[in-house]
Amino acid sequence: DTEVTQTPKHLVMGMTNKKSLKCEQHMGHRAMYWYKQKAKKPPELMFVYSYEKLSINESVPSRFSPECPNSSLLNLHLHALQPEDSALYLCASSPPGQDYNSPLHFGNGTRLTVT
Amino acid sequence: GQNIDQPTEMTATEGAIVQINCTYQTSGFNGLFWYQQHAGEAPTFLSYNVLDGLEEKGRFSSFLSRSKGYSYLLLKELQMKDSASYLCASMDSNYQLIWGAGTKLIIKP
Repeated sequence: DTEVTQTPKHLVMGMTNKKSLKCEQHMGHRAMYWYKQKAKKPPELMFVYSYEKLSINESVPSRFSPECPNSSLLNLHLHALQPEDSALYLCASSPPGQDYNSPLHFGNGTRLTVT
Repeated sequence: GQNIDQPTEMTATEGAIVQINCTYQTSGFNGLFWYQQHAGEAPTFLSYNVLDGLEEKGRFSSFLSRSKGYSYLLLKELQMKDSASYLCASMDSNYQLIWGAGTKLIIKP
């Protein structure tokens, strides 16, 4: 069982819909990440939050909007997506500070299909 | 530029040993990670090397040579459940992971 929980597991949405992906961890990690992964490709970093502040935005289109309400929660708000945004969206966490090189703990992902 | 190379696909027999190689070129180096990913699932952490040498963890071992920019993951006593993709990732000077494309390992009975 993963210690990073993502909901929903599957999501189908139209290009005009607004939806949100949710991620939760209770390991006391202070860095949280959103990754996008297409089939047979490695994960692509989208956003990094460190101590609840956005520290990295990898030039992600504005139709993806991250939010970190507190140290345990991470959301990804979706609006006006395109079919090519269909992918597995992975949340991950790690302890920053003295353990910058700690491994990422991934959630099981949300399989998103945009129709 | 930053680059991670690993074979696209490998095939091995149940009970055998397989070595998956990875070469990396990154801006700075803060360690080399190996992750396992079954189809449709999240990556799971296998190993981390920051110093040269071999790290053994049960049936899995990982080796690093910083001077050669080279790592390998060694899987012993292969089981059918080891069929998965194995991702090599180097952590750069900004503590960001640079991922390889992954090696799909197929285990045959």
